[in-house]
Amino acid sequence: DQQVKQNSPSLSVQEGRISILNCDYTNSMFDYFLWYKKYPAEGPTFLISISSIKDKNEDGRFTVFLNKSAKHLSLHIVPSQPGDSAVYFCAASALMGDGNKLVFGAGTILRVKS
Amino acid sequence: DVKVTQSSRYLVKRTGEKVFLECVQDMDHENMFWYRQDPGLGLRLIYFSYDVKMKEKGDIPEGYSVSREKKERFSLILESASTNQTSMYLCASSFGTGAQETQYFGPGTRLLVL
Repeated sequence: DQQVKQNSPSLSVQEGRISILNCDYTNSMFDYFLWYKKYPAEGPTFLISISSIKDKNEDGRFTVFLNKSAKHLSLHIVPSQPGDSAVYFCAASALMGDGNKLVFGAGTILRVKS
Repeated sequence: DVKVTQSSRYLVKRTGEKVFLECVQDMDHENMFWYRQDPGLGLRLIYFSYDVKMKEKGDIPEGYSVSREKKERFSLILESASTNQTSMYLCASSFGTGAQETQYFGPGTRLLVL
């Protein structure tokens, strides 16, 4: 039972255009959401996050939107660049024991064509 | 600069062998995590540790154990490797246990069990 779902395994976008990566979750107890980016042969690196009390967070070309009523978040990359080509993981934070753990989605492979 | 290192990038083992995966972080982080990454399933938490000599089960602990004798080192042990444990293994660490804490990942160990 996947609590965090990324329904698009892959996405292809032209350089300079907008990339929109989507993520849905089922557990209403999640209170923080994060996006990680992973290049081949490297570990994931943190990209951007959003608290459940906000609906938008922006950092340069990257913006994350959260729709709590729909249990949906999305990552927008504008403008997309070839170096953005990577696997993007959506993650949600859940309280467990003395701390929080992350629950990850399956990932979306983004290809930005030049 | 934040650094998480894993002892091997690639490992090939035979069914029934005991396998040790080592992870070291140099950031004096309290928390360390072991995940496995599989296509279509994303990252799944195996075990984590909030302190030396302390461990907690994640979502898929069966067939694995861990050891944390020193703060900077977290080992994942496969007591008797099986083919379904062929996967990419990722270690991560974080400073605190809050929802907003960033996890820093190592480059991963790709394990093949024959």
